Amino acid sequence: SAVISQKPSRDICQRGTSLTIQCQVDSQVTMMFWYRQQPGQSLTLIATANQGSEATYESGFVIDKFPISRPNLTFSTLTVSNMSPEDSSIYLCSVEPRGMSPGTGPWMAGPNTEAFFGQGTRLTVV
Amino acid sequence: GNSVTQMEGPVTLSEEAFLTINCTYTATGYPSLFWYVQYPGEGLQLLLKATKADDKGSNKGFEATYRKETTSFHLEKGSVQVSDSAVYFCALSAGFQKLVFGTGTRLLVSP
Repeated sequence: SAVISQKPSRDICQRGTSLTIQCQVDSQVTMMFWYRQQPGQSLTLIATANQGSEATYESGFVIDKFPISRPNLTFSTLTVSNMSPEDSSIYLCSVEPRGMSPGTGPWMAGPNTEAFFGQGTRLTVV
Repeated sequence: GNSVTQMEGPVTLSEEAFLTINCTYTATGYPSLFWYVQYPGEGLQLLLKATKADDKGSNKGFEATYRKETTSFHLEKGSVQVSDSAVYFCALSAGFQKLVFGTGTRLLVSP
C-alpha cells in the first residue's frame, strides 16, 4: 500500500488569498492526482501532477487558478489562488495504478488495484 | 464512456438493521470495482474491491459481489453500527483510465 500525508487538514481563509496544500507519499510515483470534493458532491479530478513536466488539467480547471508543483517523485503541492467562497471544498491528493508503470510501486499485482488517498484538506473561504 | 450510478441518500437506519446501497456501472472491457468510505472529516479509504466477474469483496462485515450480467456491485451489511455512519462511494477503474466515482451515499445509523 501507499501512505499519503496531506496537510493542512483544514483551513479557513479570507477571500482573495491563496492556500498551498502539500501531499507527501511514502513511495516514488510517476503521477499524482488532485481532486476536489464540493459540499455534498462526489470527487472531481482537477489535474494530474507529472514529475518533470507541467501538470495536465481537466476541463474547467486552469493553471492560473490551481497551480501545481511536482518537484520530485514523492511530493506535490496544489495551490488554490485568489480564493472565493465557491472554492470551499475538500481537496484530496491520490496515487493511482495508472500513475505507475505496470508491476512497479505499490501495485505490483497490476493496474486494476485500488487508489490511495490523502486525508483531505477541508477548505472554507470566508 | 465509463460511468457509475449510485443510489441517492441519505440512508437512515437503526443500529443492527440490514444495509443495501445500490451501485450499477457502465464500462467497456473488464473494469475493477471498488467501494470507498469517507468518515466525517476524513479522506477516502478503500472498503472493499473486486477485480473480476463473480468476485466478492468483503471487509468489516461489508460485502459486494461483482455481477457482470446485471452490471452491479451493490454494497451490503447484515447489521450496521453507529460507527458505520459515513459516506460511501462506488468507483470503477478500467486499466489505466481515470477513476470514475459515483455521487456518494450518506449513511446515518442511529442507536
